[in-house]
Amino acid sequence: AQSVAQPEDQVNVAEGNPLTVKCTYSVSGNPYLFWYVQYPNRGLQFLLKYITGDNLVKGSYGFEAEFNKSQTSFHLKKPSALVSDSALYFCAVRVAYNTDKLIFGTGTRLQVFP
Amino acid sequence: GAGVSQSPSNKVTEKGKDVELRCDPISGHTALYWYRQSLGQGLEFLIYFQGNSAPDKSGLPSDRFSAERTGGSVSTLTIQRTQQEDSAVYLCASRQGTNTGELFFGEGSRLTVL
Repeated sequence: AQSVAQPEDQVNVAEGNPLTVKCTYSVSGNPYLFWYVQYPNRGLQFLLKYITGDNLVKGSYGFEAEFNKSQTSFHLKKPSALVSDSALYFCAVRVAYNTDKLIFGTGTRLQVFP
Repeated sequence: GAGVSQSPSNKVTEKGKDVELRCDPISGHTALYWYRQSLGQGLEFLIYFQGNSAPDKSGLPSDRFSAERTGGSVSTLTIQRTQQEDSAVYLCASRQGTNTGELFFGEGSRLTVL
């Protein structure tokens, strides 16, 4: 069955340290992968996507993500966390090559401490 | 409009009543998605529309839920005979035609069923 998993409900990191938010997926065919962020009392915003090409993709606010086909993962990373990065992060994947249905993970709350 | 518009932003209703939630996508966006976000939960896919194709209704949780999209623009999500477990934030998103593009989300409609 198609699925996307975010194994950590919450990630805590000190400001200035690198951060990683994990995402793994299970879909048929080549995946289209996305990361979205939800700041408090605001709608979801697009961060970055992997469709094809370089496994390392760069997005908004200094975030990047690495597509790893063998591990079926698409972890979100940032070299140096900011307090303002504190938010809820969602990974999403297109479930199959012949559909535009997108499913989201359960979300990971990132807390960056000063 | 500049973004995806949803109304009402808040709706409180009594168990057993019907509710309608409206979504105005970004002009020119051919794809429209509905998701549900419950407290502490991720985004649950409900339905998506793509142009004139038949919608993918595979995420609708029961036959009390239905959605339509008139004229390829505005969409209405209808919940009949509401139950307390229907309480959630209902999010709408739209996307341009290409299926590699990102979703643009509205602020959501918060539904509370008493």
